[in-house]
Amino acid sequence: SQKIEQNSEALNIQEGKTATLTCNYTNYSPAYLQWYRQDPGRGPVFLLLIRENEKEKRKERLKVTFDTTLKQSLFHITASQPADSATYLCALEPPRDNAGNMLTFGGGTRLMVKP
Amino acid sequence: DGGITQSPKYLFRKEGQNVTLSCEQNLNHDAMYWYRQDPGQGLRLIYYSQIVNDFQKGDIAEGYSVSREKKESFPLTVTSAQKNPTAFYLCASSMFGAGNQPQHFGDGTRLSIL
Repeated sequence: SQKIEQNSEALNIQEGKTATLTCNYTNYSPAYLQWYRQDPGRGPVFLLLIRENEKEKRKERLKVTFDTTLKQSLFHITASQPADSATYLCALEPPRDNAGNMLTFGGGTRLMVKP
Repeated sequence: DGGITQSPKYLFRKEGQNVTLSCEQNLNHDAMYWYRQDPGQGLRLIYYSQIVNDFQKGDIAEGYSVSREKKESFPLTVTSAQKNPTAFYLCASSMFGAGNQPQHFGDGTRLSIL
């Protein structure tokens, strides 16, 4: 089965800096990889999706990279703000041999942006 | 606004009791999912349903049951057979057959044992 590793230790950075979060996976290469944000006591909210044939995806201050050779995705938040403080989850879409939209989630990394 | 509504937000279960968590969506999504989240762990899939009147077990289905009688609704029952039910339960939905679609989540139900 797919195993996903995200840094369980919180990442503390200063406001204005770039935050970089890591998602490593084992076994098969996913067809898609997604990133979600989760605030305490709330459900995850979808941020970005990147396909296996894409190297990089951007959305405003967010950037995701996908390296299928290293089996790794990096999630960057530039010009970070205290409002970016949350837990960020990566999720993998395996190659589908049946209909559906199954995701395997990592444990998430908590980001703390200090003013 | 379209979205997913989970209720109640907090739920307490007595020993030997079954409890049901509600999940309703008005996004017209075909697929719905139930996840369990424990502190410091990722979401683990309990059950999923791709279409009305059909559902499949996920990775940790033991002690849980579901039904999918309507497209909008996917209730989860935590039975007395689930010996460690204390967790944060999340319901999600997505478009059917669109593997590159994101999942939309409700705001969860926190279940505790009395």
